Amino acid sequence: AQKITQTQPGMFVQEKEAVTLDCTYDTSDPSYGLFWYKQPSSGEMIFLIYQGSYDQQNATEGRYSLNFQKARKSANLVISASQLGDSAMYFCAMTGAGGTSYGKLTFGQGTILTVHP
Amino acid sequence: GAVVSQHPSRVICKSGTSVKIECRSLDFQATTMFWYRQFPKKSLMLMATSNEGSKATYEQGVEKDKFLINHASLTLSTLTVTSAHPEDSSFYICSVEGIGSTQYFGPGTRLLVL
Repeated sequence: AQKITQTQPGMFVQEKEAVTLDCTYDTSDPSYGLFWYKQPSSGEMIFLIYQGSYDQQNATEGRYSLNFQKARKSANLVISASQLGDSAMYFCAMTGAGGTSYGKLTFGQGTILTVHP
Repeated sequence: GAVVSQHPSRVICKSGTSVKIECRSLDFQATTMFWYRQFPKKSLMLMATSNEGSKATYEQGVEKDKFLINHASLTLSTLTVTSAHPEDSSFYICSVEGIGSTQYFGPGTRLLVL
């Protein structure tokens, strides 16, 4: 079984500063994918970034980067130069490559990020 | 990524009625779609995997006769909440499995059963 843990129910950051959202995972699959999604108050789920378990380099997408530490089973999201529009709920998720977990996303509990002006 | 739409975005119905929610993949042929349920300020819980041309696969604890899923084409999956009750009130959101196993989500449907 797969499990995703986000231990920060809420985070606050000042506009233009960087913030790290924590995510740890547990899985027995040798191959897996890690994702971060943003959910604003409107409810839509916006895909931010993806990291494959065999990727050698940390994924980056614009202001988003994923700090992937495989040995520690962590996949923290770093948002640089925070903007007011970054205020939202953020979910870490993973999918396995085989068996019953294939293709299915398991989500963490989410972290509410609030960006202050 | 894939562009996904859902209809309706919001629905209010009386207890005992059935409600159909549509999930459309607008620019991607989706053999697999997923249906999730989310309570306020909570995480998304996978309800079922919708497979084009075959029966849906339900997660443990999800009543398949309560939540009917039909995936008749590569662009449309429907979720029907049958005989809805107030406890079925929730946010329902679908996703399409795109390239590289990334899932792209629809905007969601807020269901309120009175």
